[in-house]
Amino acid sequence: DQQVKQNSPSLSVQEGRISILNCDYTNSMFDYFLWYKKYPAEGPTFLISISSIKDKNEDGRFTVFLNKSAKHLSLHIVPSQPGDSAVYFCAARYLTGNQFYFGTGTSLTVIP
Amino acid sequence: EPEVTQTPSHQVTQMGQEVILRCVPISNHLYFYWYRQILGQKVEFLVSFYNNEISEKSEIFDDQFSVERPDGSNFTLKIRSTKLEDSAMYFCASRWTLEGNTGELFFGEGSRLTVL
Repeated sequence: DQQVKQNSPSLSVQEGRISILNCDYTNSMFDYFLWYKKYPAEGPTFLISISSIKDKNEDGRFTVFLNKSAKHLSLHIVPSQPGDSAVYFCAARYLTGNQFYFGTGTSLTVIP
Repeated sequence: EPEVTQTPSHQVTQMGQEVILRCVPISNHLYFYWYRQILGQKVEFLVSFYNNEISEKSEIFDDQFSVERPDGSNFTLKIRSTKLEDSAMYFCASRWTLEGNTGELFFGEGSRLTVL
């Protein structure tokens, strides 16, 4: 049962433009959401998070938007840089739980 | 910067053999996890561990698998009688949490298991 879905396996963006990565979830009980970035042969690294009481969280070039009614979140990267090329995973959890549920990832390529 | 370390980085084993994957979580973290990623698939939760016992486990984590924190620093995943479908990248992760603090996961670089 895929509770966290990333429907775009890949995305290509020109350097300097905006990258928008999307994530959908099915479980309305999720109340904490995270984005992770993963380079080949490395473990995922935490990027940014948002709790369900917010609809936006910003950290430098990275902004995460949460639309609870649509059960949708997105990660915006502005401006995109070649070093942002990686696989991005969306994850969700219950605030009272321990398990983090991950999506299948979106491979972002930023073209110089 | 503190990090989660995993050994070995790559292990090749014959089907039916036992494998132990080792992890050293970040020292002040309280929750420990194992995840795996089969090539081209999603990152799948296996098990979480807190206060010296399993707190949650997935359907994947059957009797073939076990975890242990033998000495207060290491956190191990044992796979008994490995199967071909156990071939995957196994990630250890840890999390520090205080009540009310959501705490993100910090991942190790992974141990690639290849079962022949």
